[in-house]
Amino acid sequence: DTAVSQTPKYLVTQMGNDKSIKCEQNLGHDTMYWYKQDSKKFLKIMFSYNNKELIINETVPNRFSPKSPDKAHLNLHINSLELGDSAVYFCASSRTGEGTQYFGPGTRLTVL
Amino acid sequence: AQTVTQSQPEMSVQEAETVTLSCTYDTSENNYYLFWYKQPPSRQMILVIRQEAYKQQNATENRFSVNFQKAAKSFSLKISDSQLGDTAMYFCAFMTPGGGGSNYKLTFGKGTLLTVNP
Repeated sequence: DTAVSQTPKYLVTQMGNDKSIKCEQNLGHDTMYWYKQDSKKFLKIMFSYNNKELIINETVPNRFSPKSPDKAHLNLHINSLELGDSAVYFCASSRTGEGTQYFGPGTRLTVL
Repeated sequence: AQTVTQSQPEMSVQEAETVTLSCTYDTSENNYYLFWYKQPPSRQMILVIRQEAYKQQNATENRFSVNFQKAAKSFSLKISDSQLGDTAMYFCAFMTPGGGGSNYKLTFGKGTLLTVNP
């Protein structure tokens, strides 16, 4: 019955590798987001998709590429991982105009 | 650009007592939402309470209530009868509703770490 799920929950990898994080929501929402939480716990929006269309793309390196195959899924692919990419990545979803965003459990990415 | 400020990095309270967490924000918008999210050690982001700016009545959810002062751009969270399970990082967040583009994003404060002591 998980509303917003993410896989994997933990990801440990070497610098230079490419990795993906998957997100799925079963709430029937049409907008999905990726947020990054840094080591100081600060949360910042990275991307947002509405009905599979990219609507927010904050200042994020080109190595990060989101992809939304349908309204229920939003994946995040990261190329050439760097030490500074270590963080917790949260997926969230909402219904257009409704306001409240519901978060997934987060993926802790550690780049060695 | 909207900004959200939480001036208390850490707070502590005794079990069963009341505590208030502060939040101020800056915006030129007239219609917006404000939220408090809590993040316990499990790291899950949990919605605590939300307030629509057009509503004058302060939102309440069980032991959690807000003091929303629109003119002062202040949105504090009061937790009554604090419980050990309330120990968490609390984030204040702002969002403008509707439309497209940046209107959808949540802008977060830096958080207040609340510890409830037995």
